[in-house]
Amino acid sequence: EIVLTQSPATLSLSPGERATLSCRASQSVSSYLAWYQQKPGQAPRLLIYDAYNRATGIPARFSGSGSGTDFTLTISSLEPEDFAVYYCQQRSNWPHTFGQGTKLEIK
Amino acid sequence: EVQLVESGGGLVQPGGSLRLSCAASGFTFSNYWMSWVRQAPGKGLGWVANLNQDGSDKYYADSVKGRFTISRDNGKNLLYLQMNSLRAEDTAVYYCARDRDGKDVWGQGTTVTVSS
Repeated sequence: EIVLTQSPATLSLSPGERATLSCRASQSVSSYLAWYQQKPGQAPRLLIYDAYNRATGIPARFSGSGSGTDFTLTISSLEPEDFAVYYCQQRSNWPHTFGQGTKLEIK
Repeated sequence: EVQLVESGGGLVQPGGSLRLSCAASGFTFSNYWMSWVRQAPGKGLGWVANLNQDGSDKYYADSVKGRFTISRDNGKNLLYLQMNSLRAEDTAVYYCARDRDGKDVWGQGTTVTVSS
């Protein structure tokens, strides 16, 4: 099973700042990595698929990068609605594991 | 509108069974892989199972293998999760999701509570 480790567990930033979230895989997942955003009481929302492709309707301030074992989700300038929990997930190998999440909170 | 709506959750005793349903609308259901994902209270997301377009290819998390069965009825646009031998650790919100390059459409979730 591929283990995805997200860091940091919690990130405290202010609106307008740049956020950098990390996801590291225990073995290569090629580019088969997605990022999701989840707000309290809501279902997750797909942000990025296959490492760097923005999903439909996702603002350009969200970007993904990386391949192999190291991936990054960057939010260029935080908006108030961006404070949420973010998860990565790989679909390279079964089981399609999720990371444990990074909570992005308002500083 | 593309939509997934789960139902069938509830309170069940340990060792009991439950069948979840997910009704799809607004897209050609039979063209897509489908998934179940769960989230225990206060915890992260956990992948449960995946099913291909015609139902012939299934994958399960080790924690549910042998107890849960994923299936679909393409004529009715329905996805199912049959859950047997339920345990307290199966308590969670269960989401169905459409699989494309990522899970691009999610339902609102249905809550399963396993408790005596």
